[in-house]
Amino acid sequence: QVQLQESGPGLVKPSETLSLTCTVSGGSITNSYWSWIRQPPGKGLEWIGYIYSSGSTNYNPSLKSRVTISVDTSTNQFSLQLSSVTVADTAIYFCARAYATTMVTLDFWGQGTAVAVSS
Amino acid sequence: AIQLTQSPSSLSASVGDRVTLTCRASQDISSALAWYQQKPGKAPKLLIYDASYLESGVPSRFSGSGSGTDFTLTISSLQPEDFATYYCQQFNSYLLTFGPGTKVDIK
Repeated sequence: QVQLQESGPGLVKPSETLSLTCTVSGGSITNSYWSWIRQPPGKGLEWIGYIYSSGSTNYNPSLKSRVTISVDTSTNQFSLQLSSVTVADTAIYFCARAYATTMVTLDFWGQGTAVAVSS
Repeated sequence: AIQLTQSPSSLSASVGDRVTLTCRASQDISSALAWYQQKPGKAPKLLIYDASYLESGVPSRFSGSGSGTDFTLTISSLQPEDFATYYCQQFNSYLLTFGPGTKVDIK
């Protein structure tokens, strides 16, 4: 059973870069897609982007200019960087496996990590 | 970008009720739709993919239907553990979008 765990700072200052890592256990990160999703307090889910283990990416157009997702197959981890953050980026950040069949669905999720943007 | 709308935004129901939630896409997405259940403080859980396929381990009281732009999630007999928020998600042109969610609470 694949398990995912997010890690990173819980507090980021405005204009700085948010950096999170997702560690995958119980399976290899290779030959799969991996995704980041976020959820502002009391609101719905927003897809951020996904990466294939080879390094190819797709991002939410609304965040694309500020987002970088990368993968490290040697450590079974993938990461999120979100630049120039504002208070609007305060959210629970989830990582998930993006399972591709005829569509892409998110079948295994981390528990989420809370990130607050504040000075 | 494809937008998803969900209706109702919330509903109150009783244990044993049959419940139907609706998700509508702004353009044809064939059957590329999934449904998730989220409980407070927890990660979402995949219930249905490809519009009508039940994810492994999900109770058979959950079912999905639809294609094109109109989709439904049906819970045939609502159980206490089903009170949660339900999100639909589409996949088109390599991008994902979630609907705004439907909250199901106890009447």
